Amino acid sequence: AQKITQTQPGMFVQEKEAVTLDCTYDTSDQSYGLFWYKQPSSGEMIFLIYQGSYDEQNATEGRYSLNFQKARKSANLVISASQLGDSAMYFCAMREGPDAGNNRKLIWGLGTSLAVNP
Amino acid sequence: NAGVTQTPKFRVLKTGQSMTLLCAQDMNHEYMYWYRQDPGMGLRLIHYSVGEGTTAKGEVPDGYNVSRLKKQNFLLGLESAAPSQTSVYFCASSSLAGEETQYFGPGTRLLVL
Repeated sequence: AQKITQTQPGMFVQEKEAVTLDCTYDTSDQSYGLFWYKQPSSGEMIFLIYQGSYDEQNATEGRYSLNFQKARKSANLVISASQLGDSAMYFCAMREGPDAGNNRKLIWGLGTSLAVNP
Repeated sequence: NAGVTQTPKFRVLKTGQSMTLLCAQDMNHEYMYWYRQDPGMGLRLIHYSVGEGTTAKGEVPDGYNVSRLKKQNFLLGLESAAPSQTSVYFCASSSLAGEETQYFGPGTRLLVL
């Protein structure tokens, strides 16, 4: 079973409107972290926002906010006032507790392609 | 502050050739990672390192070797390249402290003919 599910392969949004990109996760850990990354067509992976499982408030970073619903195991990314430069792939990732080697690896979703229309 | 850098940016290999991809970070991060990214498959972890002199296998380690002789460098080697290793390779690093956010290099596009 996938641990990170991004159900929207592609999304369209009109410039200046808000858009929500969905991410659901599956873990039995109590301590975990959730990340969103942006990958524009140029290829680099850009860190956007982080939410810890114990954080009571939703994370915000400028126009990005994370709608964290712990009971539903969802961590949706909200982009407000979309800009043309927001057109990119967006990946959700989860860091669970440490493994046997004491490493806490990231588990990645398959991404959502967002296109912002002028 | 360069962050994470990767060398080379693009390379074409013939089947059976070998090469080494270099990753360097200047953030004094303890952890470093090598991923490959293929269409429709997201990011898959090849190998990782939790500190200088230590390495471990990730999700898809076969056909690759790594070394971390210095804290700031993480090398990925292909001993005998195969067309299935055509991919985009990303290096990332993270700190032990705080959120452990992984920061990525710009990627290396590898084509194996």
